[in-house]
Amino acid sequence: DSGVTQTPKHLITATGQRVTLRCSPRSGDLSVYWYQQSLDQGLQFLIQYYNGEERAKGNILERFSAQQFPDLHSELNLSSLELGDSALYFCASRRTDDIYGYTFGSGTRLTVV
Amino acid sequence: GEDVEQSLFLSVREGDSSVINCTYTDSSSTYLYWYKQEPGAGLQLLTYIFSNMDMKQDQRLTVLLNKKDKHLSLRIADTQTGDSAIYFCAEGSGGYQKVTFGTGTKLQVIP
Repeated sequence: DSGVTQTPKHLITATGQRVTLRCSPRSGDLSVYWYQQSLDQGLQFLIQYYNGEERAKGNILERFSAQQFPDLHSELNLSSLELGDSALYFCASRRTDDIYGYTFGSGTRLTVV
Repeated sequence: GEDVEQSLFLSVREGDSSVINCTYTDSSSTYLYWYKQEPGAGLQLLTYIFSNMDMKQDQRLTVLLNKKDKHLSLRIADTQTGDSAIYFCAEGSGGYQKVTFGTGTKLQVIP
């Protein structure tokens, strides 16, 4: 157990629907990062939050949004889902002064049918 | 811009050494990382190296960094079937800055 918890582990939904992925960071970690892992595109950075504020944005579609709550957990909202959104979505957390990179959750596998 | 490139696939025989290569473009990177992803799991930090180092050894793992050529490699000695996984190279600048990952190299170990 890495200390980063992601729920749900698996999600199957239809095109056009909306889903919410949840991430609880490791205790004490203020930064949360969301990544998308597709079969052919490696690990793509989506968005980062630090202590409730958005810090950096990557290749995140306008149909996707995220937020970090006062208790530091984060949610990634995916709407108007398309088949191509099927992927593994990872959350990672990090302390500000942590040089050891990220601690990853085990991911949410989203399948859009 | 930031870009990290790796070959997609490597196949080795059990007991041989594996060398996974990576190139990156951000010369301001302070830390270079290797992560391992086993099937159905998240990424786990395997090892890291500071950008002012040339080499780091940790048991069966040797990391070599050529900062001039922006080339990073991971050597796994005496590769075992349990080493079969996807290996990601990554670079970062520390603090809360994001880490940029490569595409991952799938290592297949043949018994």
